Amino acid sequence: DAKTTQPPSMDCAEGRAANLPCNHSTISGNEYVYWYRQIHSQGPQYIIHGLKNNETNEMASLIITEDRKSSTLILPHATLRDTAVYYCIVRPSTNRDDKIIFGKGTRLHILP
Amino acid sequence: GAVVSQHPSRVICKSGTSVKIECRSLDFQATTMFWYRQFPKQSLMLMATSNEGSKATYEQGVEKDKFLINHASLTLSTLTVTSAHPEDSSFYICSAYRPGLGPSFGPGTRLTVL
Repeated sequence: DAKTTQPPSMDCAEGRAANLPCNHSTISGNEYVYWYRQIHSQGPQYIIHGLKNNETNEMASLIITEDRKSSTLILPHATLRDTAVYYCIVRPSTNRDDKIIFGKGTRLHILP
Repeated sequence: GAVVSQHPSRVICKSGTSVKIECRSLDFQATTMFWYRQFPKQSLMLMATSNEGSKATYEQGVEKDKFLINHASLTLSTLTVTSAHPEDSSFYICSAYRPGLGPSFGPGTRLTVL
């Protein structure tokens, strides 16, 4: 079973920041939080990952609470091309053989 | 650019035939790859773990004789859907662990069985 829970859908106005929440209350100390997104009829695309510190890259920012039981993915200036299903996943980063179990994700609609 | 490729991107076949889907890691070696299946408006469902040089590990409920997996080299895993039927029509996606970044996913293969 997936170890994360996410809202099934969210709307965001184009140009505004999209904040996608994720709960992972049973996360272990060695598990990282990964975010992927899947645009229709494509494979999942890596966005960002982190352990306990906040992370930022060219695509997004990841805010992880101090107790690590939840996190928020932030798309700072959403565009129509950000419309996708976003998946929050926890897994040990150093274990390449560890499989990923997907939850249902959040379907993000960017509104013009 | 893409680091995991799949071939073909889409395939249409007749019921009863077998279809092979290839998954390649393009600039890194992958001792382990994963195969997923996705039905419309649903999440990805893990089918099996492909291990280079050994037998694949199948998830509960996935028929190993129907979905044959071969991981003959460190950059190639194949999934063969044997005796395909319309209910096998789905979007098949593979993934491989990319050193330093974690799992990367292929673009997917759309299988339609008539």
